[in-house]
Amino acid sequence: QVQLVQSGAEVMKPGASVKLSCKASAYTFTSYHIHWVRQAPGQGLEWMGRIDPNNGGADYAQRFQGRVTMTRDTSINTAYLELSNLRSDDTAVYYCVRGSGFYWGQGTLVTVSS
Amino acid sequence: QAVVTQEPSLTVSPGGTVTLTCGSSTGDVTSGLYPYWFQQKPGQAPRTLIYHTSNKHSWTPARFSGSLLGGKAALTLSGAQPEDEAEYYCLFSYSGTVVFGGGTKLTVL
Repeated sequence: QVQLVQSGAEVMKPGASVKLSCKASAYTFTSYHIHWVRQAPGQGLEWMGRIDPNNGGADYAQRFQGRVTMTRDTSINTAYLELSNLRSDDTAVYYCVRGSGFYWGQGTLVTVSS
Repeated sequence: QAVVTQEPSLTVSPGGTVTLTCGSSTGDVTSGLYPYWFQQKPGQAPRTLIYHTSNKHSWTPARFSGSLLGGKAALTLSGAQPEDEAEYYCLFSYSGTVVFGGGTKLTVL
């Protein structure tokens, strides 16, 4: 069965950068987009962007342009999300999701606090 | 950017039927927006119930169905169970971007 396993929780200082990972298994990694979605405490789901693992091309939500970078390593079937210049309102659970059917990872809690 | 609109909250009686809807600020919803429906319970990751308007995953209970209705995407729950109480989100895919609805809090009471 399709599985996405995400890296562990992070506690970051404001202004820092964080890089999250998402390891995919049980399907052909390069055949489906990986989306990144976040959810702040008590809030709804917010789409951050997606990457095509086949060629590395990415689309980012406008509000994250300039602060987000999505990459992948096809040799280990892993996608990455890097978010820079962290603020307290970036505190959220970050999910990676396989496109076409939307299979969700378990989520990674990122806490931004001084 | 497009705005996706859902009912903030709905209530259904156990065994009853309820329809949640999802509209787009760009106009009528079509299958070309590849509508999705997700269920999320407190403390859990979202779970995909419906993809591409009406397709179900193996784990999707038969009482859930997806459709297009009156220019919107719709999720119908027939025979509500207490365990269906949750937040439900929809999603549309536009050219180059994806937008979630704000969610519907469904109460089974």
